[in-house]
Amino acid sequence: DIQMTQSPSSMSASVGDRVTITCRASQDINTYLAWFQQKPGKAPKSLISESSSLRSGVPSRFSGSGSGTDFTLTIRSLQPEDFATYYCQQYDSYPLTFGGGTKLEIK
Amino acid sequence: EVQLLDSGGGLVQPGESLRLSCAASGFTFSSSVMTWVRQAPGKGLEWVSSISSGGGSAYYAASVKGRFTISRDNSKNTLYLQLNSLRAEDTAIYYCAKRIDPDYWGQGVLVTVSS
Repeated sequence: DIQMTQSPSSMSASVGDRVTITCRASQDINTYLAWFQQKPGKAPKSLISESSSLRSGVPSRFSGSGSGTDFTLTIRSLQPEDFATYYCQQYDSYPLTFGGGTKLEIK
Repeated sequence: EVQLLDSGGGLVQPGESLRLSCAASGFTFSSSVMTWVRQAPGKGLEWVSSISSGGGSAYYAASVKGRFTISRDNSKNTLYLQLNSLRAEDTAIYYCAKRIDPDYWGQGVLVTVSS
């Protein structure tokens, strides 16, 4: 199974900050990497697929990059509504696997 | 507008069964791979199962293989997950999702397994 390791597991930041979350795969997954945002009590929301393709309707301050085993999610100029938990997921092969999540809190 | 409406959750005792449903609309259901993902209370996301567009291929997490069965009825635009031999550790919110890299998610249903 492919293990997905996210870091950090939690972080605090201020409105207007630029933040980066990393996700590492235990083996090469090409660019088959997706990112999701989840707020308490809500279903996940899809942000990015294929490592860097922004889903429709997602603000352009979100961006993704990487290939192979190392990936990043960057949020440029944090907004109040961005404080949430973020997950990466590989879909290169079954079983599909998620990272452990990164909780982004307000400083 | 794409909509996925999950239903069928509830409280059951260990060893019992439950069937979850996901009614889809707003897209060509019969052309879409579909997926179930769960989230235990206070925990992260866990992939459970996926099924091909025609229903001929199904994939399962090791933790549910042999106990859960994914299926679909393309004539009814509905995805199912049959949960048998339920255990306490199956307690979670279950979400249906479109694609294996989900672009849309259902609202989720809570399954509680407790005596």
